[in-house]
Amino acid sequence: AQKITQTQPGMFVQEKEAVTLDCTYDTSDQSYGLFWYKQPSSGEMIFLIYQGSYDEQNATEGRYSLNFQKARKSANLVISASQLGDSAMYFCAMREGDRPAGGYNKLIFGAGTRLAVHP
Amino acid sequence: GAGVSQTPSNKVTEKGKYVELRCDPISGHTALYWYRQSLGQGPEFLIYFQGTGAADDSGLPNDRFFAVRPEGSVSTLKIQRTERGDSAVYLCASSSPTSTGDTEAFFGQGTRLTVV
Repeated sequence: AQKITQTQPGMFVQEKEAVTLDCTYDTSDQSYGLFWYKQPSSGEMIFLIYQGSYDEQNATEGRYSLNFQKARKSANLVISASQLGDSAMYFCAMREGDRPAGGYNKLIFGAGTRLAVHP
Repeated sequence: GAGVSQTPSNKVTEKGKYVELRCDPISGHTALYWYRQSLGQGPEFLIYFQGTGAADDSGLPNDRFFAVRPEGSVSTLKIQRTERGDSAVYLCASSSPTSTGDTEAFFGQGTRLTVV
């Protein structure tokens, strides 16, 4: 069965510093996708970044990058130059199939990491 | 609309009552998902619609939970004989496949259900 593990219940970082949020996953599938979502106190899940299992390069989106280590089954999120507005819950999630036809998006989520950015 | 819209934002109901939660997906999105998020946990998948049909309802916890999407747009999650353990935030998401199949799901802000 697929499983996502986020071992850091809470993290804090100084404004303008970089922070790494850990995520490990377990799957027997060869094809899968990995996501990071941000959930501020308003409750909405905001998509940050995506990595397909067959992508050879680590994904990057602005200040977000995904450190994908396939052999170790880890997909850590790196946020560079932290901002106060980055304070939120962060969830790692996995989808069966890298880019499945029809766009099937059944996601398995981890328990999340609460990030606090201090001025 | 501009994003996924869920109503109501908050719902308090008595144990044993029936509730309906509504999701209005992004216009044109054919796929719609319901997730449930209990306090301190990540969202858990409930059901997935492709168009009008439920393509995967393996996450529905029991037969008190039911969801419909009669016209392939708005969806309603229905919970009968509510129990205190049903208290959670119910999230709806929608997505639309591209030619490459590379998609992300867009989430609404959720409905916070409290069963007292």
